[in-house]
Amino acid sequence: DVKVTQSSRYLVKRTGEKVFLECVQDMDHENMFWYRQDPGLGLRLIYFSYDVKMKEKGDIPEGYSVSREKKERFSLILESASTNQTSMYLCALGSDTGELFFGEGSRLTVL
Amino acid sequence: EDKVVQSPLSLVVHEGDTVTLNCSYEVTNFRSLLWYKQEKKAPTFLFMLTSSGIEKKSGRLSSILDKKELSSILNITATQTGDSAIYLCAVEEYAGNNRKLIWGLGTSLAVNP
Repeated sequence: DVKVTQSSRYLVKRTGEKVFLECVQDMDHENMFWYRQDPGLGLRLIYFSYDVKMKEKGDIPEGYSVSREKKERFSLILESASTNQTSMYLCALGSDTGELFFGEGSRLTVL
Repeated sequence: EDKVVQSPLSLVVHEGDTVTLNCSYEVTNFRSLLWYKQEKKAPTFLFMLTSSGIEKKSGRLSSILDKKELSSILNITATQTGDSAIYLCAVEEYAGNNRKLIWGLGTSLAVNP
């Protein structure tokens, strides 16, 4: 079974804090994605990576950065959290056949 | 602009009912259409459809793609309370060397006992 693990299920941070969201996969796949999900807006792609040290901006990269130092780990970084970044963050792993396998999600609240 | 539209936005049914969820799309370079189920946590994969007219089936769930009508339906027969979830549709398209997913907003299904 594919396993995508997100390190934090629930986080509460203050405005201006730096936030790290980690995602680890156990399948040796190359394609990894970070989405945020908000009511009425659906899933929106923040960043993705098709290989180690490679990253591409998605549809809403502003205010975010990512790191992929090792194949199995893809981290999302909020340099200075703001209240409009309160959201559910979903990491996903892309299979060779096109399906995405999601982690359990990290619900971030920024006060 | 590429888009995926799901209907209805929400639906309430009784256990045992049959439901049909719709997904229509406008994309430039279609590759596949995917259905996901999302309960309280992350979406879980249901089906991937690439060819028109071929039904995919898993238990009480089935789905079919109509490339002429640019749409897909997801059927759930003999619904159970455990089917209550948001059902998401996504269309994968070719975008240069990459593949891109365009998501619908989902249909929220509530199955009452």
